[in-house]
Amino acid sequence: DQQVKQNSPSLSVQEGRISILNCDYTNSMFDYFLWYKKYPAEGPTFLISISSIKDKNEDGRFTVFLNKSAKHLSLHIVPSQPGDSAVYFCAASNNNDMRFGAGTRLTVKP
Amino acid sequence: DAGVIQSPRHEVTEMGQEVTLRCKPISGHDYLFWYRQTMMRGLELLIYFNNNVPIDDSGMPEDRFSAKMPNASFSTLKIQPSEPRDSAVYFCASSLLQVGTDTQYFGPGTRLTVL
Repeated sequence: DQQVKQNSPSLSVQEGRISILNCDYTNSMFDYFLWYKKYPAEGPTFLISISSIKDKNEDGRFTVFLNKSAKHLSLHIVPSQPGDSAVYFCAASNNNDMRFGAGTRLTVKP
Repeated sequence: DAGVIQSPRHEVTEMGQEVTLRCKPISGHDYLFWYRQTMMRGLELLIYFNNNVPIDDSGMPEDRFSAKMPNASFSTLKIQPSEPRDSAVYFCASSLLQVGTDTQYFGPGTRLTVL
Protein backbone atom coordinates (compact mmCIF):
# COMPACT_ATOMS: atom_id res chain seq x y z
CA ASP A 1 0.00 0.00 0.00
CA GLN A 2 1.99 2.93 -1.34
CA GLN A 3 0.48 5.94 0.38
CA VAL A 4 3.22 8.18 -0.92
CA LYS A 5 4.29 7.90 -4.53
CA GLN A 6 7.17 9.35 -6.45
CA ASN A 7 6.41 8.28 -9.97
CA SER A 8 9.68 9.38 -11.51
CA PRO A 9 12.51 7.09 -10.44
CA SER A 10 15.08 9.37 -12.04
CA LEU A 11 15.54 12.88 -13.34
CA SER A 12 18.43 14.46 -15.21
CA VAL A 13 18.88 18.23 -15.58
CA GLN A 14 21.59 20.59 -16.72
CA GLU A 15 23.52 22.64 -14.19
CA GLY A 16 21.89 26.01 -13.67
CA ARG A 17 18.45 24.86 -14.74
CA ILE A 18 15.47 24.10 -12.52
CA SER A 19 14.89 20.64 -11.07
CA ILE A 20 11.30 19.71 -10.23
CA LEU A 21 10.64 16.58 -8.22
CA ASN A 22 7.07 15.45 -7.72
CA CYS A 23 5.27 13.51 -5.05
CA ASP A 24 1.67 12.33 -4.62
CA TYR A 25 -0.05 11.02 -1.52
CA THR A 26 -3.36 9.30 -0.93
CA ASN A 27 -4.10 9.79 2.75
CA SER A 28 -5.85 13.09 3.45
CA MET A 29 -4.94 12.75 7.13
CA PHE A 30 -1.32 13.59 6.40
CA ASP A 31 -0.64 17.13 7.56
CA TYR A 32 3.11 17.51 7.41
CA PHE A 33 5.38 16.87 4.47
CA LEU A 34 9.11 16.59 4.22
CA TRP A 35 11.85 16.09 1.68
CA TYR A 36 14.98 14.17 2.49
CA LYS A 37 18.13 13.96 0.45
CA LYS A 38 20.35 10.90 0.32
CA TYR A 39 23.89 10.53 -0.96
CA PRO A 40 25.37 7.08 -1.67
CA ALA A 41 26.51 5.16 1.41
CA GLU A 42 24.90 7.71 3.72
CA GLY A 43 21.58 7.95 5.50
CA PRO A 44 18.91 10.38 4.33
CA THR A 45 19.19 13.91 5.67
CA PHE A 46 16.39 16.37 6.15
CA LEU A 47 16.13 19.03 3.46
CA ILE A 48 12.90 21.01 3.77
CA SER A 49 9.38 20.60 5.08
CA ILE A 50 5.94 22.13 4.82
CA SER A 51 2.88 22.10 7.00
CA SER A 52 -0.56 21.56 5.51
CA ILE A 53 -1.57 25.07 6.54
CA LYS A 54 0.84 26.46 3.97
CA ASP A 55 1.14 26.03 0.24
CA LYS A 56 4.74 27.09 -0.16
CA ASN A 57 7.95 27.02 1.84
CA GLU A 58 11.24 28.37 0.59
CA ASP A 59 14.78 27.85 1.83
CA GLY A 60 17.47 29.26 -0.40
CA ARG A 61 17.52 27.38 -3.67
CA PHE A 62 14.89 24.91 -2.45
CA THR A 63 11.15 25.51 -2.53
CA VAL A 64 8.43 23.05 -1.68
CA PHE A 65 4.91 23.55 -3.01
CA LEU A 66 1.85 21.82 -1.59
CA ASN A 67 -1.47 21.37 -3.39
CA LYS A 68 -3.78 19.77 -0.82
CA SER A 69 -6.76 19.42 -3.11
CA ALA A 70 -4.66 17.42 -5.55
CA LYS A 71 -2.72 15.68 -2.76
CA HIS A 72 0.45 16.66 -4.54
CA LEU A 73 3.68 18.29 -3.55
CA SER A 74 6.76 19.23 -5.45
CA LEU A 75 10.32 20.25 -4.71
CA HIS A 76 11.92 22.91 -6.89
CA ILE A 77 15.66 23.39 -6.94
CA VAL A 78 16.89 26.45 -8.75
CA PRO A 79 19.53 26.83 -9.91
CA SER A 80 20.52 23.17 -9.84
CA GLN A 81 24.12 22.34 -9.01
CA PRO A 82 26.13 19.14 -9.55
CA GLY A 83 26.30 18.72 -5.76
CA ASP A 84 22.53 18.36 -5.73
CA SER A 85 22.88 14.97 -7.44
CA ALA A 86 21.36 12.53 -4.97
CA VAL A 87 18.23 10.53 -4.26
CA TYR A 88 15.36 12.63 -2.96
CA PHE A 89 12.69 11.09 -0.77
CA CYS A 90 9.32 12.65 -0.20
CA ALA A 91 7.64 11.90 3.15
CA ALA A 92 4.16 12.54 4.47
CA SER A 93 3.15 12.35 8.10
CA ASN A 94 0.65 12.96 10.84
CA ASN A 95 1.00 12.54 14.60
CA ASN A 96 1.16 8.77 14.42
CA ASP A 97 2.54 7.84 11.07
CA MET A 98 5.19 8.76 8.54
CA ARG A 99 5.43 7.30 5.04
CA PHE A 100 8.15 7.71 2.51
CA GLY A 101 8.07 7.53 -1.25
CA ALA A 102 10.39 5.30 -3.24
CA GLY A 103 12.69 8.18 -4.09
CA THR A 104 13.79 10.03 -7.22
CA ARG A 105 17.40 9.95 -8.31
CA LEU A 106 18.41 13.43 -9.48
CA THR A 107 21.46 13.86 -11.68
CA VAL A 108 22.67 17.38 -12.37
CA LYS A 109 25.06 17.48 -15.30
CA PRO A 110 27.81 20.11 -15.45
CA ASP B 1 26.99 14.48 19.12
CA ALA B 2 28.16 11.68 16.82
CA GLY B 3 24.75 11.24 15.28
CA VAL B 4 22.91 7.97 14.94
CA ILE B 5 25.34 5.06 14.96
CA GLN B 6 24.62 1.77 13.24
CA SER B 7 26.59 -1.44 13.14
CA PRO B 8 27.65 -3.31 11.21
CA ARG B 9 27.82 -1.19 8.06
CA HIS B 10 27.81 -4.28 5.89
CA GLU B 11 26.61 -7.78 6.61
CA VAL B 12 26.80 -10.78 4.33
CA THR B 13 25.21 -13.96 5.54
CA GLU B 14 23.76 -17.18 4.29
CA MET B 15 20.11 -18.00 4.12
CA GLY B 16 18.80 -19.40 7.37
CA GLN B 17 21.29 -17.59 9.57
CA GLU B 18 20.35 -15.14 12.28
CA VAL B 19 21.20 -11.50 11.66
CA THR B 20 21.32 -8.77 14.30
CA LEU B 21 21.53 -5.11 13.38
CA ARG B 22 22.38 -2.54 16.01
CA CYS B 23 21.58 1.11 16.53
CA LYS B 24 22.57 3.84 18.96
CA PRO B 25 20.26 6.85 18.69
CA ILE B 26 21.19 10.46 19.35
CA SER B 27 21.31 11.08 23.07
CA GLY B 28 18.13 12.65 24.36
CA HIS B 29 15.98 11.57 21.45
CA ASP B 30 12.82 9.85 22.63
CA TYR B 31 11.85 8.25 19.33
CA LEU B 32 13.68 5.54 17.42
CA PHE B 33 12.72 4.19 14.02
CA TRP B 34 13.81 1.24 11.92
CA TYR B 35 13.45 1.48 8.13
CA ARG B 36 14.22 -0.80 5.22
CA GLN B 37 15.19 0.55 1.83
CA THR B 38 14.73 -1.47 -1.33
CA MET B 39 14.72 -0.47 -4.98
CA MET B 40 11.10 -1.43 -5.43
CA ARG B 41 9.53 0.01 -2.29
CA GLY B 42 11.86 2.77 -1.27
CA LEU B 43 11.97 3.52 2.46
CA GLU B 44 9.59 1.39 4.50
CA LEU B 45 8.97 2.05 8.17
CA LEU B 46 9.30 -1.26 10.01
CA ILE B 47 8.79 -0.24 13.64
CA TYR B 48 9.22 2.70 15.95
CA PHE B 49 9.75 3.14 19.66
CA ASN B 50 8.88 5.93 22.06
CA ASN B 51 10.84 5.96 25.31
CA ASN B 52 11.98 2.39 24.62
CA VAL B 53 8.44 1.11 24.12
CA PRO B 54 7.38 -0.24 20.71
CA ILE B 55 4.51 1.90 19.45
CA ASP B 56 3.83 0.68 15.93
CA ASP B 57 5.25 -2.51 14.49
CA SER B 58 2.74 -2.85 11.68
CA GLY B 59 5.52 -2.50 9.13
CA MET B 60 7.43 -5.53 10.34
CA PRO B 61 7.11 -7.91 7.40
CA GLU B 62 6.97 -11.25 9.19
CA ASP B 63 7.48 -13.01 12.46
CA ARG B 64 11.06 -13.59 11.41
CA PHE B 65 11.67 -9.92 12.21
CA SER B 66 11.89 -8.66 15.77
CA ALA B 67 13.12 -5.45 17.35
CA LYS B 68 14.03 -4.51 20.88
CA MET B 69 15.08 -1.41 22.72
CA PRO B 70 16.39 -2.45 26.14
CA ASN B 71 17.44 1.09 27.03
CA ALA B 72 17.42 4.62 25.67
CA SER B 73 20.77 4.26 23.95
CA PHE B 74 20.50 0.93 22.17
CA SER B 75 18.19 -0.94 19.85
CA THR B 76 18.46 -4.12 17.81
CA LEU B 77 16.67 -5.46 14.77
CA LYS B 78 16.90 -9.21 14.43
CA ILE B 79 16.04 -11.43 11.49
CA GLN B 80 15.80 -15.13 12.21
CA PRO B 81 16.00 -17.03 9.93
CA SER B 82 17.19 -14.71 7.20
CA GLU B 83 16.14 -15.11 3.58
CA PRO B 84 17.55 -13.70 0.32
CA ARG B 85 14.57 -11.37 -0.04
CA ASP B 86 15.61 -9.66 3.18
CA SER B 87 18.59 -8.21 1.34
CA ALA B 88 18.29 -4.43 1.63
CA VAL B 89 19.72 -1.42 3.40
CA TYR B 90 18.36 -1.04 6.92
CA PHE B 91 18.31 2.41 8.47
CA CYS B 92 17.84 3.46 12.02
CA ALA B 93 16.65 7.00 12.76
CA SER B 94 15.88 8.98 15.87
CA SER B 95 13.95 12.13 16.66
CA LEU B 96 13.35 14.32 19.65
CA LEU B 97 9.63 14.78 19.21
CA GLN B 98 6.87 12.55 18.00
CA VAL B 99 6.31 11.20 14.55
CA GLY B 100 5.17 13.75 12.04
CA THR B 101 6.25 16.91 13.78
CA ASP B 102 9.98 16.59 14.01
CA THR B 103 12.93 15.90 11.80
CA GLN B 104 14.30 12.40 11.92
CA TYR B 105 18.03 11.89 11.95
CA PHE B 106 19.19 8.82 10.09
CA GLY B 107 22.17 6.61 10.64
CA PRO B 108 24.41 5.55 7.74
CA GLY B 109 22.56 2.28 7.31
CA THR B 110 23.48 -1.40 7.31
CA ARG B 111 23.65 -3.06 3.93
CA LEU B 112 22.47 -6.64 4.38
CA THR B 113 23.09 -9.31 1.78
CA VAL B 114 21.58 -12.73 2.32
CA LEU B 115 22.99 -15.36 -0.02
